[in-house]
Amino acid sequence: DVVMTQSPLSLPVTLGQPASISCRSSQSLVHSNGNTYLNWFQQRPGQSPRRLIYKVSNRDSGVPDRFSGSGSGTDFTLKISRVEAEDVGVYYCMQGSHWPLTFGQGTKVEIK
Amino acid sequence: EVQLVESGGGLVQPGGSLRLSCAASGFTFSDYYMDWVRQAPGKGLEWVGRIRNKANSYTTEYAASVKGRFTISRDDSKNSLYLQMNSLKTEDTAVYYCARDSGGSGDSWGQGTLVTVSS
Repeated sequence: DVVMTQSPLSLPVTLGQPASISCRSSQSLVHSNGNTYLNWFQQRPGQSPRRLIYKVSNRDSGVPDRFSGSGSGTDFTLKISRVEAEDVGVYYCMQGSHWPLTFGQGTKVEIK
Repeated sequence: EVQLVESGGGLVQPGGSLRLSCAASGFTFSDYYMDWVRQAPGKGLEWVGRIRNKANSYTTEYAASVKGRFTISRDDSKNSLYLQMNSLKTEDTAVYYCARDSGGSGDSWGQGTLVTVSS
């Protein structure tokens, strides 16, 4: 199975400051069809997960543009340009290129 | 508006069975692949399985942890997705979410239904 490793696991941030989460996969996420199926999800406290980013850098509809995704191969990053209070929660990366699909452990974002 | 509503969760003894349902609305259900994802209490997300659409012969994929015990099915005439869970273990205790697959992962999720496996 592809192991997804996130860092840090806990991220205290100051409101208005940037934040960055790293996700590394144990093997390349380039699919045989040429796409890279690396996704980012946000789970606010008490809520269902919500997808923010798909295929590395594509923002889902309604996702604020302060969220951005980047990376290639095995190294990926989710960046929040200016953290807002509503961004508190746990963030997961997930790979969809290899079976079985696998998630990272999650990164808990909290306000300092 | 896309809506996914899970139901069927509850308390079941180890070794027992349970069938979860997911009612979909707001989109053409038959066009989409669908996923089940679970989350044990206080833990992270675990993908359970996927069912493809009719055009792809309703084929399925499963996580190793549930393969042979869980079965995913769908009824496009009822806009419904199902998860039949047999031989349940205490480690299957989790909130189970259904999700619509788009772009290779779940772009819309339900609110989840809690399954507790305990004697």
